Amino acid sequence: QQKVQQSPESLSVPEGGMASLNCTSSDRNFQYFWWYRQHSGEGPKALMSIFSDGDKKEGRFTAHLNKASLHVSLHIRDSQPSDSALYFCAAYTGNYKYVFGAGTRLKVIA
Amino acid sequence: GGIITQTPKFLIGQEGQKLTLKCQQNFNHDTMYWYRQDSGKGLRLIYYSITENDLQKGDLSEGYDASREKKSSFSLTVTSAQKNEMAVFLCASSTAIANSDYTFGSGTRLLVI
Repeated sequence: QQKVQQSPESLSVPEGGMASLNCTSSDRNFQYFWWYRQHSGEGPKALMSIFSDGDKKEGRFTAHLNKASLHVSLHIRDSQPSDSALYFCAAYTGNYKYVFGAGTRLKVIA
Repeated sequence: GGIITQTPKFLIGQEGQKLTLKCQQNFNHDTMYWYRQDSGKGLRLIYYSITENDLQKGDLSEGYDASREKKSSFSLTVTSAQKNEMAVFLCASSTAIANSDYTFGSGTRLLVI
């Protein structure tokens, strides 16, 4: 059973649009999250972390965490074709380990 | 900048065969990981090693062995390849600081015929 659920499984947005990806944890002990992005044929690359309630902004990317609802989201504004990739949410479980969600496949249509 | 290298990039094996995948990193990271990536299932942890002489099982360790030969290298062995198995094996490394991100290699793509 996945301890981190991601939605939607896939998402298409027009170039310049906003993409919103969601992640829900089933374990209240998960308090620290990373978002990763994986382009085809490559390994995942870390995008940004979040561990405080509220928003964290890095350029076009904004992560949001709501610890009460165990919900994390990633919003990409002004989406570019190069943002097309598989996005993973990862929750820190302790002992230097993370549990990953199944991923959301984003396609940005030019 | 550092690099994490996985070899081979592609591996075709036969059913029942023992197969070894290798990973090298030059970040001087203490912690190394092996994950399996299957479509629709995300990344599942097979083995990890917190320090050079440490080895710990993940959720998916059955059917695999691992070895941390030195700080910079971590290998994974599929003890008996399953017919029609197809997956990507990802190696990652990290500093020994809680909550640190991982740096991943580009993966070894396995196909068992």
